[in-house]
Amino acid sequence: SQQGEEDPQALSIQEGENATMNCSYKTSINNLQWYRQNSGRGLVHLILIRSNEREKHSGRLRVTLDTSKKSSSLLITASRAADTASYFCATVRMDSNYQLIWGAGTKLIIKP
Amino acid sequence: EAGVTQFPSHSVIEKGQTVTLRCDPISGHDNLYWYRRVMGKEIKFLLHFVKESKQDESGMPNNRFLAERTGGTYSTLKVQPAELEDSGVYFCASSPRDPNTGELFFGEGSRLTVL
Repeated sequence: SQQGEEDPQALSIQEGENATMNCSYKTSINNLQWYRQNSGRGLVHLILIRSNEREKHSGRLRVTLDTSKKSSSLLITASRAADTASYFCATVRMDSNYQLIWGAGTKLIIKP
Repeated sequence: EAGVTQFPSHSVIEKGQTVTLRCDPISGHDNLYWYRRVMGKEIKFLLHFVKESKQDESGMPNNRFLAERTGGTYSTLKVQPAELEDSGVYFCASSPRDPNTGELFFGEGSRLTVL
């Protein structure tokens, strides 16, 4: 079964609005990471949140983690056209050797 | 500093042929990973090298796939013979000796199309 599952699968918003993407997972984790992929490009690490953390900020990004619900959210504030990309969550299980388990991703489109 | 580089960026081959993908990690990164994304599916782990040793190859789909990392520098992933279901994007990533931060640095991927 899939470990990380993002929703929504696709999100289209106006520039300047906030974008929220969610991720759910199934097993106990060591940490959860969010990555971005621009079309045809590689995956870029955005932020990592450990299992003992509840919230983390990085610039316009805010990530929350609820281990009781096995879920995380990524909030991008004041979105820009350049934020248009696919966003993936990936988890590292407690019993793994840093193997990332990925969700299917959320395709975010920022309309100018 | 150069990032993770992968070659080729796109390869189109016929079923039954052989393809070799190459990954050059960031200099000094002992950990090297291969992941792939087949069409419509999520990204999946293939294997993990620590220097030249295979630490975890549990994600390798079958014995048509062979990964090497001779000398602990660049890595190759060979698919022989290729099948239609092997089509997808193959990502390579590297991380420093101490991967406690968990962050992986990814290349731009090698897109494989098997006809």
